Parts: sequence; structure tokens; C-alpha cells
Amino acid sequence: EIVLTQSPGTLSLSPGERATLSCRASQSVSSNYLAWYQQKPGQAPRLLIFGASNRATGIPDRFSGSGSGTDFTLTVTRLEPEDFVLYYCQHYDTSAITFGQGTRLEIK
Amino acid sequence: QVQLVESGGGVVQPGRSLRLSCVGSGFTFSVNGMHWVRQAPGKGLEWVALIWNDGRDKAYADSVKGRFTISRDNSKNILYLQMNSLRYEDTAVYYCVRDIWIGSDKFLDYWGQGTPVTVSS
Repeated sequence: EIVLTQSPGTLSLSPGERATLSCRASQSVSSNYLAWYQQKPGQAPRLLIFGASNRATGIPDRFSGSGSGTDFTLTVTRLEPEDFVLYYCQHYDTSAITFGQGTRLEIK
Repeated sequence: QVQLVESGGGVVQPGRSLRLSCVGSGFTFSVNGMHWVRQAPGKGLEWVALIWNDGRDKAYADSVKGRFTISRDNSKNILYLQMNSLRYEDTAVYYCVRDIWIGSDKFLDYWGQGTPVTVSS
């Protein structure tokens, strides 16, 4: 079973700064099956990035994804106040889904 | 637009059963695989189950295997989750989620608003 480890658990930054969130897989995975989600309080998660680097429809271009193998990154440039929420990475295996434990982005 | 609307959550005693439903609209329901994903209070996301578009193949998380059954009725655009032998640790918000392929990429795109399940004596 693939385990996804996200770091840091909490990231404290200021609006306008750049955020770099990490997702590390316990073994090499295909970029095709790596996605990122954003979750605001009291809401369902929202798809941000699929295929490790493709932005979902309607997602601002300040969100970008990169990486391959075991190391993946979600980058948010020019942080807006509404970006300070929870982020999860996710991997789609043959017949199972794994989520990272999440990174909380908080206002410094 | 794609919509997924869950129902059926509530408060249930340990050991009892509950059935969740999810109605899909705004897309051809029979084309997509579907998932249930849950989130315990204050915790992260946990995948629960997957059913292929035609309903013939299913997969479950180890934590629910043998207790939960995922099914679908493509004629009614409804996804189900039958939950038996419920435990305290099954307390969570349960989300219905659509599965999709784009090119070689496979991921979950649309999520319902969730239905809460509380297991309590």
C-alpha cells in the first residue's frame, strides 16, 4: 500500500507570499494518478491539480503542481486570504485511493 | 452542471445499519466510476469504497471490508453505501465522489456536499 506523507503539517505565511507544500510517496508512483485538493472549513474538498501538474477548470494560475516519482509539490504564489485553508494530495492506485494527512496553510 | 447529492446520514447505535444514497445529475452517470470518501470530525480524508461504472467491480478500504457494500442503480442515477455492523470509528461525514479519466490521468473530480453519520449509544 502506498503511503503519502505531506509536509509541513502546518505552514505559516503572509498574504502575498509563496507557499510550497510537499507530498512524498512511500514508493514511486505515476504522475498520472497524483492529484491535489483544497478544503475550506465546512465544505467538501475541491480538485485543484490532476496528473501532478494540470490545473482543474476554474483554478487560478497562482496554483501549480510539479514533481515525479516519489516527490510532488503544490506551489501557491501570491497567497490570497482565501488560500489559507487545508490541502491534501491523493494517489489513485489500481483499485484504491490514498490521501496524504493534509497541510494546513495559516496566516502568519 | 455536475451535481452529487447525498442523503441517508443520521445517528445510529453501534452494531446497527444505515444506507446512504447519492443522486448524480448533469452528467451520464453510467459512464463514471464512483467513490465514497469519509472524513471523521477534525480528521483527514479516508477513502471508503469504489464501484466501476457498470457496477460489476468494487473495491473497499480494509477498515470497512466485509461490513460495507457499495452499489449503484444506473437507471436511476443513484449510488448507494450499505453500512452494517457500524462502529464508533465510522462516525464521519461521507462524501460521494465522481471518478474520471482525462487522457492518461485518473482522479476524483466532483464531490457531493456530504452526509454526516454519527455512531453513538
